[in-house]
Amino acid sequence: AQTVTQSQPEMSVQEAETVTLSCTYDTSESDYYLFWYKQPPSRQMILVIRQEAYKQQNATENRFSVNFQKAAKSFSLKISDSQLGDAAMYFCAYRGVNKGGKLIFGQGTELSVKP
Amino acid sequence: DTGVSQDPRHKITKRGQNVTFRCDPISEHNRLYWYRQTLGQGPEFLTYFQNEAQLEKSRLLSDRFSAERPKGSFSTLEIQRTEQGDSAMYLCASSPPESLGYTFGSGTRLTVV
Repeated sequence: AQTVTQSQPEMSVQEAETVTLSCTYDTSESDYYLFWYKQPPSRQMILVIRQEAYKQQNATENRFSVNFQKAAKSFSLKISDSQLGDAAMYFCAYRGVNKGGKLIFGQGTELSVKP
Repeated sequence: DTGVSQDPRHKITKRGQNVTFRCDPISEHNRLYWYRQTLGQGPEFLTYFQNEAQLEKSRLLSDRFSAERPKGSFSTLEIQRTEQGDSAMYLCASSPPESLGYTFGSGTRLTVV
């Protein structure tokens, strides 16, 4: 069975600085998708960024980028120029191919941003 | 379209009572998912529907839980004989055909007292 592990329950960053959130996963599949979701205090989960395992290039979405290390099964999220609105729970998630779209989530990292 | 709607937002119930939650997905989304999220944890998959067919159920979904999507539109999740361990946020999400993208609802927070 696939598992996702986020080893940092809490992280803190100064506004305008850069922070990296860690995620590791375990799978025997060769093709899959990885996601980072943001869950603000209002509780609605929002997709931040997505990575297809077959792509070697790391995904980037504006201030958000990932470091995808397939061999190491590592998928970290870097947030540049952190803003107060980035404060939220961040979840790493795994999705297999042809598995009906089910997501397997990590435990989450609570990010606080200091002004 | 206002996104995925869940009702109610909050529910407090006494142990042993039955509760039912509703999820209205985005209209053109044929896949609908239910997740459970306990405090401080990531969401855990419960079940999913493609149109009206329930295609997968987690072992977390005990026989006290049942989900339906009768016409392939809205879905209901019922919990019978609630227990304190059922206290959690129940999240619904939907996605269009052949898409990787989910849209989540705001969830229903259940408290069993």
